Amino acid sequence: KAGVTQTPRYLIKTRGQQVTLSCSPISGHRSVSWYQQTPGQGLQFLFEYFSETQRNKGNFPGRFSGRQFSNSRSEMNVSTLELGDSALYLCASTQGGEKLFFGSGTQLSVL
Amino acid sequence: GENVEQHPSTLSVQEGDSAVIKCTYSDSASNYFPWYKQELGKRPQLIIDIRSNVGEKKDQRIAVTLNKTAKHFSLHITETQPEDSAVYFCAASSQAGTALIFGKGTTLSVSS
Repeated sequence: KAGVTQTPRYLIKTRGQQVTLSCSPISGHRSVSWYQQTPGQGLQFLFEYFSETQRNKGNFPGRFSGRQFSNSRSEMNVSTLELGDSALYLCASTQGGEKLFFGSGTQLSVL
Repeated sequence: GENVEQHPSTLSVQEGDSAVIKCTYSDSASNYFPWYKQELGKRPQLIIDIRSNVGEKKDQRIAVTLNKTAKHFSLHITETQPEDSAVYFCAASSQAGTALIFGKGTTLSVSS
């Protein structure tokens, strides 16, 4: 079974731009969560989707948004990028329980 | 919302020693507590988890204990090896049960 796939692996953007990250969950997994990882801050929860519906949301500004498609693939969008948005963005999927399987992440650098 | 505190932030041990990492959580409704290991440049991977109806769980050299009354749980690694060197994250399920809230991580270094 293929694991969680995230694309692209690396991204370089400038302040003010927007970016879209993609996540394909493990086949059969209907829940997708997104996390931001920065040094010293650990993994901060962004949001979670299940069956195309956002079920839970962390404490991030409205510039961070996401969606899930009928095939469970998910996208995350960040608008009006700021320098502080530079981070590793991790996607994780689960079959409906709590055991998260993480992707390799997208490393976003904002210049 | 849920808040998870993790200590220590760094831990250095000699090969063969034991290592203990402790976490506290704030939401008494949390009922699932996993631990993830992240090696340098790799994705976090689940190494052990425990539910609130269990006080202790063991898997070879690693064990997790949970004290629901005090709202804290711990990871114990015995007979540490250099390959145990990594960042370890604890987590607790959120009140909604649909998200995991992570601690800030512990960098474990095992020297031979």
